[in-house]
Amino acid sequence: GAGVSQSPRYKVAKRGQDVALRCDPISGHVSLFWYQQALGQGPEFLTYFQNEAQLDKSGLPSDRFFAERPEGSVSTLKIQRTQQEDSAVYLCASSKRRDRDNYGYTFGSGTRLTVV
Amino acid sequence: AQSVTQLDSHVSVSEGTPVLLRCNYSSSYSPSLFWYVQHPNKGLQLLLKYTSAATLVKGINGFEAEFKKSETSFHLTKPSAHMSDAAEYFCVVSVYGNKLVFGAGTILRVKS
Repeated sequence: GAGVSQSPRYKVAKRGQDVALRCDPISGHVSLFWYQQALGQGPEFLTYFQNEAQLDKSGLPSDRFFAERPEGSVSTLKIQRTQQEDSAVYLCASSKRRDRDNYGYTFGSGTRLTVV
Repeated sequence: AQSVTQLDSHVSVSEGTPVLLRCNYSSSYSPSLFWYVQHPNKGLQLLLKYTSAATLVKGINGFEAEFKKSETSFHLTKPSAHMSDAAEYFCVVSVYGNKLVFGAGTILRVKS
């Protein structure tokens, strides 16, 4: 596609509910990143994939957070037993090559998760 | 560890006047630095990037930034603000190309 697509655009979950957030990166982009942006703050790194391999998950805040990219394209971020502190915008970004800094990163518009 | 500090949480300028958004970075090696802009309910858009080439970097929409190693700064400037520049701006450092570390953001307000 022309850009990074994220769905749903908005999600309201009751506390304790499981949610799944989807990211469709740009076709051919091997690198995929998830970030969490709390209200009034800058995005914070969650996890990074190169193709289907999850190379870094150091930013996942707890074991309730799980991300996968089984075929090296679409990725899903799953949050189990959501808590109010999980309320944030979840951003996905992708990049084409190993030389990511020079090539650049394309961000999606994000999924705004509200836990009530 | 790599980090960035955006020195102003809010900046207000009049339309047609210069814009200066300040950013200092901390890095144990020669960093890659970026400025991103985020308009309300829109995705992050890359304004410009520094990756160890020319220290004065020109970006989109008339923005530019100068990498100053001696001052560990990467301030964003624009000669003349436009109403459409009102948004939140993030200074970002790359960690070995594997993740981006964002500053807290600067909200730019442009008065008519």
